[in-house]
Amino acid sequence: GNSVTQMEGPVTLSEEAFLTINCTYTATGYPSLFWYVQYPGEGLQLLLKATKADDKGSNKGFEATYRKETTSFHLEKGSVQVSDSAVYFCAGGTSYGKLTFGQGTILTVHP
Amino acid sequence: SAVISQKPSRDICQRGTSLTIQCQVDSQVTMMFWYRQQPGQSLTLIATANQGSEATYESGFVIDKFPISRPNLTFSTLTVSNMSPEDSSIYLCSVELAAAPDEQYFGPGTRLTVT
Repeated sequence: GNSVTQMEGPVTLSEEAFLTINCTYTATGYPSLFWYVQYPGEGLQLLLKATKADDKGSNKGFEATYRKETTSFHLEKGSVQVSDSAVYFCAGGTSYGKLTFGQGTILTVHP
Repeated sequence: SAVISQKPSRDICQRGTSLTIQCQVDSQVTMMFWYRQQPGQSLTLIATANQGSEATYESGFVIDKFPISRPNLTFSTLTVSNMSPEDSSIYLCSVELAAAPDEQYFGPGTRLTVT
């Protein structure tokens, strides 16, 4: 079946550091890929998406590129802020709109 | 996007009882889903809520334990039946909007604690 694997966390960075959170997927075909974010005390929000190979999703300074050759969708941000502290989930869209989630990565950014 | 509300936002229940969670959306919806997020873990799909017919359950989830209704396009309920402490989780509904296919938006969740 389909699966999504995220890098182990938690991740702790200083403000303005570069962020990478790795995500790889296993699927039949080429699913749409998503990054969701869950800020402390809030619900799950869609951060960005890519629907086909080589697509780049971007939002709030975050980017991720759908790499078919490496089956990856790594999340990056050039300069993180304290307000980016949250849990980040990679997800793959399966048949009939279902989502398969990675295990989540806790990001903490210190001033 | 859309406004997705869930009731209750949290509850503490005794084992052996049942709780019904409601999900309401203010926009046209094509798909509705129910997920579970156990403490410290990721989200797992419970079922797809089908309008006017039985829900489609994922492996490991059954209708007797998690009955689901979806009487119209914008409303659904999930019941957690005969609860045990292992059912303590956050339960979330999600929707795919007619205006934004291939994207899912999540409700705020219902935090359930079973004692």
